[in-house]
Amino acid sequence: GAVVSQHPSWVICKSGTSVKIECRSLDFQATTMFWYRQFPKQSLMLMATSNEGSKATYEQGVEKDKFLINHASLTLSTLTVTSAHPEDSSFYICSATTGETRYFGPGTRLTVT
Amino acid sequence: GQQVMQIPQYQHVQEGEDFTTYCNSSTTLSNIQWYKQRPGGHPVFLIQLVKSGEVKKQKRLTFQFGEAKKNSSLHITATQTTDVGTYFCAGEASGTYKYIFGTGTRLKVLA
Repeated sequence: GAVVSQHPSWVICKSGTSVKIECRSLDFQATTMFWYRQFPKQSLMLMATSNEGSKATYEQGVEKDKFLINHASLTLSTLTVTSAHPEDSSFYICSATTGETRYFGPGTRLTVT
Repeated sequence: GQQVMQIPQYQHVQEGEDFTTYCNSSTTLSNIQWYKQRPGGHPVFLIQLVKSGEVKKQKRLTFQFGEAKKNSSLHITATQTTDVGTYFCAGEASGTYKYIFGTGTRLKVLA
Protein backbone atom coordinates (compact mmCIF):
# COMPACT_ATOMS: atom_id res chain seq x y z
CA GLY A 1 0.00 0.00 0.00
CA ALA A 2 0.90 3.67 -0.15
CA VAL A 3 3.62 4.75 2.24
CA VAL A 4 4.63 8.12 3.55
CA SER A 5 8.02 8.57 5.17
CA GLN A 6 9.40 11.35 7.32
CA HIS A 7 12.95 12.28 8.11
CA PRO A 8 14.27 12.61 10.70
CA SER A 9 12.15 10.56 13.06
CA TRP A 10 13.40 12.59 15.98
CA VAL A 11 15.58 15.62 16.44
CA ILE A 12 16.94 17.61 19.34
CA CYS A 13 18.07 21.15 18.66
CA LYS A 14 19.09 24.19 20.60
CA SER A 15 16.85 27.19 20.95
CA GLY A 16 17.31 29.64 18.10
CA THR A 17 18.36 27.11 15.49
CA SER A 18 16.33 25.92 12.50
CA VAL A 19 15.20 22.38 11.78
CA LYS A 20 14.05 20.89 8.48
CA ILE A 21 11.66 17.96 8.35
CA GLU A 22 11.11 16.04 5.14
CA CYS A 23 7.94 14.24 4.10
CA ARG A 24 8.00 11.87 1.15
CA SER A 25 5.33 9.83 -0.55
CA LEU A 26 7.19 6.67 -1.52
CA ASP A 27 5.01 4.98 -4.11
CA PHE A 28 2.49 7.55 -5.19
CA GLN A 29 2.38 11.14 -6.27
CA ALA A 30 0.82 13.55 -3.83
CA THR A 31 -0.25 16.88 -5.22
CA THR A 32 -1.36 17.85 -1.76
CA MET A 33 0.31 17.21 1.54
CA PHE A 34 -0.77 18.31 4.98
CA TRP A 35 1.28 19.18 8.02
CA TYR A 36 -0.06 18.54 11.49
CA ARG A 37 1.30 19.15 14.95
CA GLN A 38 0.42 17.01 17.93
CA PHE A 39 1.26 17.94 21.51
CA PRO A 40 1.36 15.12 24.10
CA LYS A 41 -2.02 13.58 24.76
CA GLN A 42 -3.72 16.02 22.43
CA SER A 43 -5.29 15.81 19.03
CA LEU A 44 -3.68 16.58 15.70
CA MET A 45 -3.84 20.23 14.76
CA LEU A 46 -3.69 21.09 11.08
CA MET A 47 -0.92 23.61 10.48
CA ALA A 48 -0.90 24.02 6.73
CA THR A 49 -1.84 22.55 3.40
CA SER A 50 1.01 22.14 0.97
CA ASN A 51 0.37 22.08 -2.77
CA GLU A 52 3.05 21.11 -5.24
CA GLY A 53 4.44 24.11 -7.04
CA SER A 54 2.53 26.74 -5.10
CA LYS A 55 2.59 28.49 -1.77
CA ALA A 56 1.31 26.65 1.25
CA THR A 57 -1.96 27.62 2.87
CA TYR A 58 -1.60 28.14 6.59
CA GLU A 59 -4.27 27.69 9.23
CA GLN A 60 -5.25 30.59 11.40
CA GLY A 61 -2.74 31.20 14.16
CA VAL A 62 0.15 29.43 12.43
CA GLU A 63 3.05 31.74 11.64
CA LYS A 64 4.05 31.22 8.04
CA ASP A 65 7.41 32.91 8.56
CA LYS A 66 8.23 30.54 11.36
CA PHE A 67 7.03 27.33 9.74
CA LEU A 68 8.34 27.39 6.20
CA ILE A 69 6.80 24.83 3.87
CA ASN A 70 8.14 23.88 0.49
CA HIS A 71 6.49 21.37 -1.82
CA ALA A 72 9.03 21.17 -4.58
CA SER A 73 7.93 17.92 -6.17
CA LEU A 74 4.99 15.54 -6.24
CA THR A 75 6.71 13.29 -3.73
CA LEU A 76 8.42 15.69 -1.35
CA SER A 77 7.30 18.39 1.04
CA THR A 78 9.50 19.98 3.66
CA LEU A 79 8.69 21.84 6.85
CA THR A 80 11.35 24.10 8.31
CA VAL A 81 10.91 25.31 11.86
CA THR A 82 12.91 28.53 11.98
CA SER A 83 14.42 29.95 15.15
CA ALA A 84 12.96 27.12 17.16
CA HIS A 85 11.98 27.65 20.78
CA PRO A 86 11.10 25.16 23.52
CA GLU A 87 7.38 25.76 22.95
CA ASP A 88 7.85 24.42 19.40
CA SER A 89 8.71 21.02 20.85
CA SER A 90 6.06 18.71 19.48
CA PHE A 91 5.30 15.76 17.27
CA TYR A 92 5.07 16.90 13.64
CA ILE A 93 3.18 14.63 11.26
CA CYS A 94 2.70 14.96 7.54
CA SER A 95 -0.07 13.42 5.54
CA ALA A 96 -0.54 12.84 1.84
CA THR A 97 -3.59 11.86 -0.10
CA THR A 98 -4.13 9.73 -3.17
CA GLY A 99 -7.47 11.41 -3.56
CA GLU A 100 -9.57 9.02 -1.53
CA THR A 101 -7.34 7.70 1.20
CA ARG A 102 -5.16 9.69 3.50
CA TYR A 103 -1.80 8.29 4.56
CA PHE A 104 0.20 9.60 7.47
CA GLY A 105 3.91 9.66 7.93
CA PRO A 106 5.41 8.16 11.09
CA GLY A 107 6.00 11.62 12.54
CA THR A 108 9.00 13.61 13.68
CA ARG A 109 9.49 14.32 17.34
CA LEU A 110 11.14 17.69 17.80
CA THR A 111 12.67 18.65 21.12
CA VAL A 112 14.04 22.16 21.50
CA THR A 113 16.35 22.69 24.45
CA GLY B 1 -14.10 27.89 12.60
CA GLN B 2 -14.99 24.25 12.28
CA GLN B 3 -14.75 22.26 15.49
CA VAL B 4 -14.94 18.54 15.98
CA MET B 5 -15.54 17.19 19.45
CA GLN B 6 -15.41 13.62 20.67
CA ILE B 7 -16.81 12.03 23.77
CA PRO B 8 -15.78 10.48 25.99
CA GLN B 9 -12.24 11.76 26.34
CA TYR B 10 -11.15 8.57 28.10
CA GLN B 11 -12.70 5.14 28.45
CA HIS B 12 -11.48 2.19 30.46
CA VAL B 13 -13.24 -1.09 29.78
CA GLN B 14 -12.80 -4.67 30.80
CA GLU B 15 -11.74 -6.95 27.99
CA GLY B 16 -14.86 -8.30 26.34
CA GLU B 17 -16.98 -5.22 27.03
CA ASP B 18 -18.25 -2.99 24.27
CA PHE B 19 -16.99 0.52 23.59
CA THR B 20 -18.45 3.50 21.75
CA THR B 21 -16.98 6.90 20.89
CA TYR B 22 -19.06 9.74 19.53
CA CYS B 23 -17.93 12.49 17.19
CA ASN B 24 -19.76 15.79 16.71
CA SER B 25 -18.97 18.52 14.23
CA SER B 26 -20.03 22.15 14.43
CA THR B 27 -20.53 22.17 10.66
CA THR B 28 -21.95 19.78 8.09
CA LEU B 29 -19.33 17.45 6.70
CA SER B 30 -18.88 16.10 3.21
CA ASN B 31 -17.33 12.98 4.69
CA ILE B 32 -15.73 11.70 7.85
CA GLN B 33 -12.77 9.47 8.49
CA TRP B 34 -11.76 7.45 11.51
CA TYR B 35 -8.23 6.79 12.67
CA LYS B 36 -6.55 4.76 15.37
CA GLN B 37 -3.33 5.89 16.99
CA ARG B 38 -1.41 3.51 19.20
CA PRO B 39 0.72 4.99 21.97
CA GLY B 40 3.89 6.35 20.40
CA GLY B 41 2.61 5.70 16.90
CA HIS B 42 1.05 7.68 14.10
CA PRO B 43 -2.59 7.74 13.07
CA VAL B 44 -3.69 4.80 10.96
CA PHE B 45 -6.64 5.21 8.64
CA LEU B 46 -9.56 2.94 9.50
CA ILE B 47 -12.48 3.97 7.31
CA GLN B 48 -14.24 6.77 5.46
CA LEU B 49 -17.98 7.45 5.53
CA VAL B 50 -19.57 9.61 2.87
CA LYS B 51 -23.31 9.10 2.70
CA SER B 52 -25.89 10.40 5.13
CA GLY B 53 -26.91 7.61 7.52
CA GLU B 54 -24.17 5.30 6.25
CA VAL B 55 -23.18 2.32 8.37
CA LYS B 56 -20.03 0.31 7.75
CA LYS B 57 -18.60 -2.67 9.57
CA GLN B 58 -15.08 -3.97 9.91
CA LYS B 59 -15.11 -7.17 11.94
CA ARG B 60 -15.88 -5.99 15.49
CA LEU B 61 -15.96 -2.29 14.54
CA THR B 62 -19.14 -0.55 13.42
CA PHE B 63 -19.05 2.99 12.06
CA GLN B 64 -22.05 5.25 11.58
CA PHE B 65 -22.48 8.60 9.89
CA GLY B 66 -25.41 10.67 11.07
CA GLU B 67 -28.33 11.64 8.90
CA ALA B 68 -27.41 15.30 9.13
CA LYS B 69 -23.75 14.50 8.38
CA LYS B 70 -22.65 16.34 11.50
CA ASN B 71 -22.00 13.40 13.78
CA SER B 72 -20.57 9.95 13.70
CA SER B 73 -19.86 7.05 16.00
CA LEU B 74 -17.50 4.13 16.30
CA HIS B 75 -18.62 1.06 18.21
CA ILE B 76 -16.32 -1.81 19.13
CA THR B 77 -17.94 -5.07 20.16
CA ALA B 78 -16.19 -7.31 22.68
CA THR B 79 -13.03 -5.26 23.07
CA GLN B 80 -9.63 -6.89 23.07
CA THR B 81 -6.33 -5.65 24.46
CA THR B 82 -5.20 -4.97 20.90
CA ASP B 83 -7.90 -2.30 20.66
CA VAL B 84 -5.95 -0.06 23.03
CA GLY B 85 -5.17 3.36 21.58
CA THR B 86 -6.69 6.72 20.78
CA TYR B 87 -9.47 6.87 18.25
CA PHE B 88 -9.85 10.05 16.25
CA CYS B 89 -12.53 11.11 13.87
CA ALA B 90 -11.61 13.63 11.21
CA GLY B 91 -14.18 15.58 9.28
CA GLU B 92 -13.85 17.32 5.97
CA ALA B 93 -15.80 20.47 5.37
CA SER B 94 -17.24 20.37 1.88
CA GLY B 95 -14.70 20.74 -0.91
CA THR B 96 -11.77 21.74 1.28
CA TYR B 97 -9.80 18.48 1.41
CA LYS B 98 -8.81 19.65 4.87
CA TYR B 99 -9.59 17.22 7.61
CA ILE B 100 -10.10 18.62 11.07
CA PHE B 101 -9.41 16.07 13.72
CA GLY B 102 -11.65 15.45 16.66
CA THR B 103 -10.38 15.67 20.20
CA GLY B 104 -9.92 11.91 20.37
CA THR B 105 -11.04 9.16 22.72
CA ARG B 106 -8.37 7.22 24.53
CA LEU B 107 -9.35 3.61 25.08
CA LYS B 108 -7.75 1.40 27.67
CA VAL B 109 -8.70 -2.24 27.81
CA LEU B 110 -8.12 -4.09 31.07
CA ALA B 111 -7.35 -7.79 30.75
